[in-house]
Amino acid sequence: RKEVEQDPGPFNVPEGATVAFNCTYSNSASQSFFWYRQDCRKEPKLLMSVYSSGNEDGRFTAQLNRASQYISLLIRDSKLSDSATYLCVVTPGGGGADGLTFGKGTHLIIQP
Amino acid sequence: EAGVTQSPTHLIKTRGQQATLRCSPISGHTSVYWYQQALGLGLQFLLWYDEGEERNRGNFPPRFSGRQFPNYSSELNVNALELEDSALYLCASRLTYKGYFGPGTRLTVL
Repeated sequence: RKEVEQDPGPFNVPEGATVAFNCTYSNSASQSFFWYRQDCRKEPKLLMSVYSSGNEDGRFTAQLNRASQYISLLIRDSKLSDSATYLCVVTPGGGGADGLTFGKGTHLIIQP
Repeated sequence: EAGVTQSPTHLIKTRGQQATLRCSPISGHTSVYWYQQALGLGLQFLLWYDEGEERNRGNFPPRFSGRQFPNYSSELNVNALELEDSALYLCASRLTYKGYFGPGTRLTVL
Protein backbone atom coordinates (compact mmCIF):
# COMPACT_ATOMS: atom_id res chain seq x y z
CA ARG A 1 0.00 0.00 0.00
CA LYS A 2 1.34 3.41 -0.93
CA GLU A 3 2.00 5.83 1.91
CA VAL A 4 -0.44 8.43 0.66
CA GLU A 5 -3.08 7.72 -1.96
CA GLN A 6 -5.40 10.00 -3.84
CA ASP A 7 -7.85 9.51 -6.67
CA PRO A 8 -6.12 11.29 -9.56
CA GLY A 9 -9.41 12.28 -11.17
CA PRO A 10 -10.03 14.41 -13.07
CA PHE A 11 -13.12 15.54 -11.23
CA ASN A 12 -15.23 17.58 -13.63
CA VAL A 13 -17.61 19.72 -11.61
CA PRO A 14 -20.00 22.50 -12.68
CA GLU A 15 -19.39 25.93 -11.25
CA GLY A 16 -21.27 26.46 -8.02
CA ALA A 17 -21.38 22.79 -7.09
CA THR A 18 -19.90 21.20 -4.02
CA VAL A 19 -17.07 18.74 -4.49
CA ALA A 20 -15.20 16.56 -2.03
CA PHE A 21 -12.26 14.25 -2.32
CA ASN A 22 -10.31 12.08 0.06
CA CYS A 23 -6.77 11.05 0.69
CA THR A 24 -5.80 7.89 2.53
CA TYR A 25 -2.56 7.35 4.39
CA SER A 26 -0.91 4.18 5.57
CA ASN A 27 1.16 5.29 8.57
CA SER A 28 -1.08 5.30 11.62
CA ALA A 29 1.58 7.31 13.50
CA SER A 30 1.26 10.25 11.10
CA GLN A 31 1.09 13.50 12.97
CA SER A 32 0.26 16.39 10.69
CA PHE A 33 -1.84 16.72 7.60
CA PHE A 34 -2.15 19.38 4.95
CA TRP A 35 -3.80 20.16 1.66
CA TYR A 36 -1.78 21.90 -1.04
CA ARG A 37 -2.98 23.33 -4.29
CA GLN A 38 -0.88 23.20 -7.44
CA ASP A 39 -1.72 25.14 -10.56
CA CYS A 40 -0.42 23.97 -13.92
CA ARG A 41 3.37 24.36 -14.17
CA LYS A 42 3.54 26.16 -10.82
CA GLU A 43 4.81 25.16 -7.42
CA PRO A 44 2.43 23.69 -4.82
CA LYS A 45 1.04 26.24 -2.37
CA LEU A 46 -0.19 25.44 1.10
CA LEU A 47 -3.99 25.59 1.12
CA MET A 48 -4.79 24.59 4.66
CA SER A 49 -3.78 22.44 7.57
CA VAL A 50 -6.07 19.64 8.66
CA TYR A 51 -6.91 19.43 12.34
CA SER A 52 -8.40 16.52 14.23
CA SER A 53 -11.58 18.42 14.97
CA GLY A 54 -11.99 19.49 11.36
CA ASN A 55 -11.50 23.03 10.18
CA GLU A 56 -12.96 25.47 7.76
CA ASP A 57 -11.49 28.29 5.72
CA GLY A 58 -14.14 30.09 3.75
CA ARG A 59 -15.54 27.68 1.19
CA PHE A 60 -13.03 24.99 2.10
CA THR A 61 -13.52 22.39 4.82
CA ALA A 62 -10.89 19.86 5.79
CA GLN A 63 -11.46 16.84 7.97
CA LEU A 64 -9.36 14.08 9.45
CA ASN A 65 -10.56 10.58 10.21
CA ARG A 66 -7.82 8.86 12.19
CA ALA A 67 -9.75 5.63 12.64
CA SER A 68 -10.05 5.11 8.90
CA GLN A 69 -6.81 6.95 8.15
CA TYR A 70 -8.00 9.46 5.64
CA ILE A 71 -8.33 13.18 5.25
CA SER A 72 -10.87 14.97 3.13
CA LEU A 73 -11.28 18.30 1.43
CA LEU A 74 -14.68 19.76 0.63
CA ILE A 75 -15.13 22.79 -1.58
CA ARG A 76 -18.48 24.55 -1.54
CA ASP A 77 -19.81 26.91 -4.19
CA SER A 78 -16.93 26.01 -6.47
CA LYS A 79 -15.39 28.73 -8.65
CA LEU A 80 -13.62 28.46 -11.97
CA SER A 81 -10.46 29.54 -10.17
CA ASP A 82 -10.63 26.42 -8.00
CA SER A 83 -9.49 24.37 -10.98
CA ALA A 84 -6.16 22.92 -9.94
CA THR A 85 -4.49 19.80 -8.63
CA TYR A 86 -4.99 19.24 -4.92
CA LEU A 87 -2.23 17.42 -3.09
CA CYS A 88 -2.53 15.94 0.34
CA VAL A 89 0.53 15.90 2.55
CA VAL A 90 1.20 13.77 5.58
CA THR A 91 4.06 14.10 8.01
CA PRO A 92 4.97 10.87 9.78
CA GLY A 93 5.34 10.74 13.53
CA GLY A 94 8.80 11.51 14.83
CA GLY A 95 9.78 13.37 11.70
CA GLY A 96 10.83 10.13 10.07
CA ALA A 97 11.01 9.14 6.41
CA ASP A 98 11.11 12.18 4.20
CA GLY A 99 9.15 14.30 6.61
CA LEU A 100 6.71 15.47 3.97
CA THR A 101 4.92 12.71 2.10
CA PHE A 102 2.86 13.86 -0.85
CA GLY A 103 0.01 12.17 -2.58
CA LYS A 104 0.01 12.24 -6.38
CA GLY A 105 -2.78 14.78 -6.37
CA THR A 106 -6.40 15.01 -7.44
CA HIS A 107 -7.06 17.01 -10.58
CA LEU A 108 -10.14 19.23 -10.29
CA ILE A 109 -11.75 20.97 -13.25
CA ILE A 110 -14.54 23.44 -12.59
CA GLN A 111 -16.67 23.91 -15.66
CA PRO A 112 -18.70 27.04 -16.46
CA GLU B 1 9.08 37.95 4.64
CA ALA B 2 10.83 36.51 1.59
CA GLY B 3 9.70 33.10 0.47
CA VAL B 4 11.75 30.19 -0.78
CA THR B 5 13.85 31.16 -3.77
CA GLN B 6 15.37 28.93 -6.41
CA SER B 7 17.81 29.54 -9.21
CA PRO B 8 18.03 29.36 -12.07
CA THR B 9 14.42 29.48 -13.22
CA HIS B 10 15.22 27.53 -16.35
CA LEU B 11 18.20 25.38 -17.21
CA ILE B 12 18.96 23.71 -20.49
CA LYS B 13 21.64 21.05 -20.66
CA THR B 14 22.66 18.26 -22.96
CA ARG B 15 22.83 14.60 -22.11
CA GLY B 16 25.91 13.70 -20.09
CA GLN B 17 26.41 17.18 -18.67
CA GLN B 18 26.10 18.16 -15.04
CA ALA B 19 23.49 20.50 -13.55
CA THR B 20 23.54 22.49 -10.33
CA LEU B 21 20.33 23.86 -8.87
CA ARG B 22 20.17 26.18 -5.88
CA CYS B 23 17.64 26.87 -3.17
CA SER B 24 17.42 29.45 -0.42
CA PRO B 25 14.92 28.60 2.32
CA ILE B 26 12.72 30.99 4.22
CA SER B 27 14.75 32.75 6.89
CA GLY B 28 14.89 30.63 10.02
CA HIS B 29 13.89 27.39 8.27
CA THR B 30 16.46 24.68 8.79
CA SER B 31 14.98 21.88 6.69
CA VAL B 32 15.18 21.80 2.92
CA TYR B 33 13.52 19.23 0.69
CA TRP B 34 14.08 18.56 -2.98
CA TYR B 35 11.43 17.06 -5.23
CA GLN B 36 11.33 16.14 -8.88
CA GLN B 37 8.13 16.59 -10.83
CA ALA B 38 8.20 15.27 -14.36
CA LEU B 39 5.54 16.55 -16.74
CA GLY B 40 2.13 15.23 -15.77
CA LEU B 41 3.46 13.26 -12.81
CA GLY B 42 3.36 13.70 -9.06
CA LEU B 43 6.08 14.96 -6.79
CA GLN B 44 8.90 12.47 -6.34
CA PHE B 45 10.93 12.95 -3.18
CA LEU B 46 14.64 13.38 -3.85
CA LEU B 47 16.50 14.58 -0.76
CA TRP B 48 15.94 16.02 2.68
CA TYR B 49 18.50 18.16 4.48
CA ASP B 50 18.26 19.43 8.00
CA GLU B 51 20.87 21.35 9.97
CA GLY B 52 23.45 20.68 7.28
CA GLU B 53 22.99 16.93 7.25
CA GLU B 54 21.35 14.68 4.70
CA ARG B 55 18.44 13.08 6.59
CA ASN B 56 16.92 10.95 3.89
CA ARG B 57 16.94 10.39 0.17
CA GLY B 58 14.39 9.06 -2.21
CA ASN B 59 14.70 6.27 -4.72
CA PHE B 60 17.04 8.05 -7.10
CA PRO B 61 20.48 7.00 -8.38
CA PRO B 62 23.66 8.35 -6.75
CA ARG B 63 24.21 10.80 -9.58
CA PHE B 64 21.59 12.90 -7.79
CA SER B 65 23.33 14.50 -4.85
CA GLY B 66 23.31 17.69 -2.88
CA ARG B 67 24.36 19.52 0.17
CA GLN B 68 23.18 22.09 2.65
CA PHE B 69 25.33 25.03 3.61
CA PRO B 70 25.73 26.62 7.06
CA ASN B 71 23.22 29.32 6.10
CA TYR B 72 20.73 26.48 5.32
CA SER B 73 20.68 27.15 1.59
CA SER B 74 21.02 24.05 -0.49
CA GLU B 75 22.35 22.82 -3.76
CA LEU B 76 21.17 19.89 -5.86
CA ASN B 77 23.64 18.38 -8.30
CA VAL B 78 22.70 16.03 -11.07
CA ASN B 79 25.60 14.36 -12.85
CA ALA B 80 25.63 12.53 -16.17
CA LEU B 81 22.30 14.01 -17.18
CA GLU B 82 19.82 11.78 -18.97
CA LEU B 83 16.85 12.79 -21.08
CA GLU B 84 14.42 11.56 -18.43
CA ASP B 85 15.90 13.99 -15.92
CA SER B 86 13.94 16.73 -17.66
CA ALA B 87 11.50 17.94 -15.03
CA LEU B 88 10.53 20.70 -12.66
CA TYR B 89 12.75 20.54 -9.57
CA LEU B 90 11.09 21.96 -6.51
CA CYS B 91 12.67 22.93 -3.26
CA ALA B 92 10.64 23.28 -0.07
CA SER B 93 11.68 24.59 3.31
CA ARG B 94 10.12 23.73 6.59
CA LEU B 95 10.45 24.88 10.18
CA THR B 96 7.78 22.99 12.08
CA TYR B 97 5.49 20.84 9.98
CA LYS B 98 4.39 23.17 7.21
CA GLY B 99 6.38 23.14 4.01
CA TYR B 100 6.68 26.08 1.66
CA PHE B 101 7.80 25.67 -1.90
CA GLY B 102 9.98 27.73 -4.14
CA PRO B 103 8.94 28.41 -7.74
CA GLY B 104 11.13 25.60 -9.04
CA THR B 105 13.83 25.16 -11.63
CA ARG B 106 12.72 23.74 -14.93
CA LEU B 107 15.51 21.52 -16.21
CA THR B 108 15.48 20.48 -19.84
CA VAL B 109 17.93 17.86 -21.04
CA LEU B 110 18.44 17.72 -24.79
